[in-house]
Amino acid sequence: GNSVTQMEGPVTLSEEAFLTINCTYTATGYPSLFWYVQYPGEGLQLLLKATKADDKGSNKGFEATYRKETTSFHLEKGSVQVSDSAVYFCALARITQGGSEKLVFGKGMKLTVNP
Amino acid sequence: EPEVTQTPSHQVTQMGQEVILRCVPISNHLYFYWYRQILGQKVEFLVSFYNNEISEKSEIFDDQFSVERPDGSNFTLKIRSTKLEDSAMYFCAIPRGTDTQYFGPGTRLTVL
Repeated sequence: GNSVTQMEGPVTLSEEAFLTINCTYTATGYPSLFWYVQYPGEGLQLLLKATKADDKGSNKGFEATYRKETTSFHLEKGSVQVSDSAVYFCALARITQGGSEKLVFGKGMKLTVNP
Repeated sequence: EPEVTQTPSHQVTQMGQEVILRCVPISNHLYFYWYRQILGQKVEFLVSFYNNEISEKSEIFDDQFSVERPDGSNFTLKIRSTKLEDSAMYFCAIPRGTDTQYFGPGTRLTVL
């Protein structure tokens, strides 16, 4: 079945440090890939997505590229801020004519950014 | 204004009691999903519901769980006889566009 494996952390960085969170997936067909973020005490928010190979999703300075050859979707940000402290989840879903099927999530990675 | 609200925000119940969690999207949707997140763990799919029928469910979604659309505007997740291990955050999600899901703020369920 479909699955997502990601770095689990927790990770602590200093402000302005470079961030990479690795994510690899196993899936049948060609799923869409997502990064969701969960800020303390809040629900899940879509951070970015990519729907096909070589697509790059980007938002709020974060980027991730859909790499079919390595089945990866690593999240990167060049300079993190204290406000980026959150839990980051990599996820995939098959998209059909009827819409999105269930999201399959990785275990999440807690990031803390210190000033 | 949030696209989805969930009530209650926090529910405390005794083991064996029934709970009903509600999800109210701001606009009509035929398709919605329920997920849960046990504290500190990953988000797990429970069930998807399309046009008043279950379209897919996970192995977690056993006979103790049910979903309904009691009227045209909200969706419910019912747990008939809660267990300690049902303590979790429960999120509903609705489609946004063709390939994205928008999550509600969640209901924290605590089973004592």
